[in-house]
Amino acid sequence: GAGVSQSPSNKVTEKGKDVELRCDPISGHTALYWYRQSLGQGLEFLIYFQGNSAPDKSGLPSDRFSAERTGGSVSTLTIQRTQQEDSAVYLCASSLVSGRQETQYFGPGTRLLVL
Amino acid sequence: EDQVTQSPEALRLQEGESSSLNCSYTVSGLRGLFWYRQDPGKGPEFLFTLYSAGEEKEKERLKATLTKKESFLHITAPKPEDSATYLCAVEISGTSYGKLTFGQGTILTVHP
Repeated sequence: GAGVSQSPSNKVTEKGKDVELRCDPISGHTALYWYRQSLGQGLEFLIYFQGNSAPDKSGLPSDRFSAERTGGSVSTLTIQRTQQEDSAVYLCASSLVSGRQETQYFGPGTRLLVL
Repeated sequence: EDQVTQSPEALRLQEGESSSLNCSYTVSGLRGLFWYRQDPGKGPEFLFTLYSAGEEKEKERLKATLTKKESFLHITAPKPEDSATYLCAVEISGTSYGKLTFGQGTILTVHP
C-alpha cells in the first residue's frame, strides 16, 4: 500500500515568507508526527497528533511554527516569517495508533531552504 | 537532561568485516529504544524496537541488543547495500507515546 507522502519535496523561499508543508499519512493511521532534521543535527520532535486528542506541541521551536490536522488525516505544518535557521528537512511519520509496539512510518521529507 | 549519544559518528568497513554501532542513553525512564536506517534523501526506515534490558532482535545481518545504559547494533558480514545512516531513538517514560528522542546517527559505509 501507499506509504506516507509529503509535499512539496523541495521548497526554496525567501526569509520572511510563510511556507506550508503537507503530510498525507498512511490510510487508517491515527497518530501523526512531525520532526525536523537539520544539517549535523539529529531528528528533532516538533508536534504529535493522536485522533481527536489535543496535540502535543512541546517540540515546536517558536510561535512561528504551527500545525493542524484536518479530518484526522492530512496534516499541514506552517512556518510563518521564515528565518534562515529554519532551513532543514521536515519529516512526517504516522503510526496505526499511538502506543507501545506501534511502528512509526516516515515519509521522504520536505527539504526547506530559506534564503 | 535526557540524552542519546551514538558512536562512532562514521564507520567505514570492508565487505564482510563485522562490527558494532553503539547507542548510549541517559533518560529518566526508558519506555522503548528504536533503531532506524536512513538512506540519503529518504526518510528513516524502521528496523527494531527493544523494551527491556537483555532483549535482542535480529533481522538478516543485523542484531540489536539492549542493556540498562546502551544498545548495540551488530552488523555481521556487511554488504555494500548496508551502507546508510543508522539512527537510534528512545521513547521516554512520562512523555507522549511515540515522541522519540533521536541520537545524531552513525554513517556506515561498506566498501566492496
